[in-house]
Amino acid sequence: QQQVKQSPQSLIVQKGGISIINCAYENTAFDYFPWYQQFPGKGPALLIAIRPDVSEKKEGRFTISFNKSAKQFSLHIMDSQPGDSATYFCAVPNTGTASKLTFGTGTRLQVTL
Amino acid sequence: DTGVSQNPRHKITKRGQNVTFRCDPISEHNRLYWYRQTLGQGPEFLTYFQNEAQLEKSRLLSDRFSAERPKGSFSTLEIQRTEQGDSAMYLCASSQLGTSGNHEQFFGPGTRLTVL
Repeated sequence: QQQVKQSPQSLIVQKGGISIINCAYENTAFDYFPWYQQFPGKGPALLIAIRPDVSEKKEGRFTISFNKSAKQFSLHIMDSQPGDSATYFCAVPNTGTASKLTFGTGTRLQVTL
Repeated sequence: DTGVSQNPRHKITKRGQNVTFRCDPISEHNRLYWYRQTLGQGPEFLTYFQNEAQLEKSRLLSDRFSAERPKGSFSTLEIQRTEQGDSAMYLCASSQLGTSGNHEQFFGPGTRLTVL
């Protein structure tokens, strides 16, 4: 059973600052490592994902850094905006073909003016 | 709208009643997943289909829960004899093997169940 630890639980960042959220997993996983963004009352939205053969992926203001040997990956939000205020979840797929996801406990991000 | 859709969006029921939720995945996606999310937690896997075959079920899925995907398109999740502990957001996701080689999952808006 995959275990996923996400930190911090909550984060307050000023507008224009950098938000950093970390995720660590235990069992070996293969497919890909996604981050989801969720607004209250909505379903999680896929934000960005990285394959394990890549150490970094950038899409706009969002960057994933992946450390395979440490079994850790992180989300960096550059130039954070009030509209980024949401809960962020990392997820790790199970091994094998099912690719069911095990989610972290979430990080509530608040970006202040 | 070509995303995952779920109906109803909200359901309030009395303890002991049966409820059924529907999920319509993205049209070309062959995999469909059900998750449950309680307040302040991440989604938890319940079950998954590849086409019409239900290939995996979580231990969270008690015998009061049943899911179907009869024609490999939409899916239903039924909860019989609901209990207050069933109150949660029920999320559906779908995926298709993409050019990236991944089965990236796309979620619907969820069905919020409240059991009184």
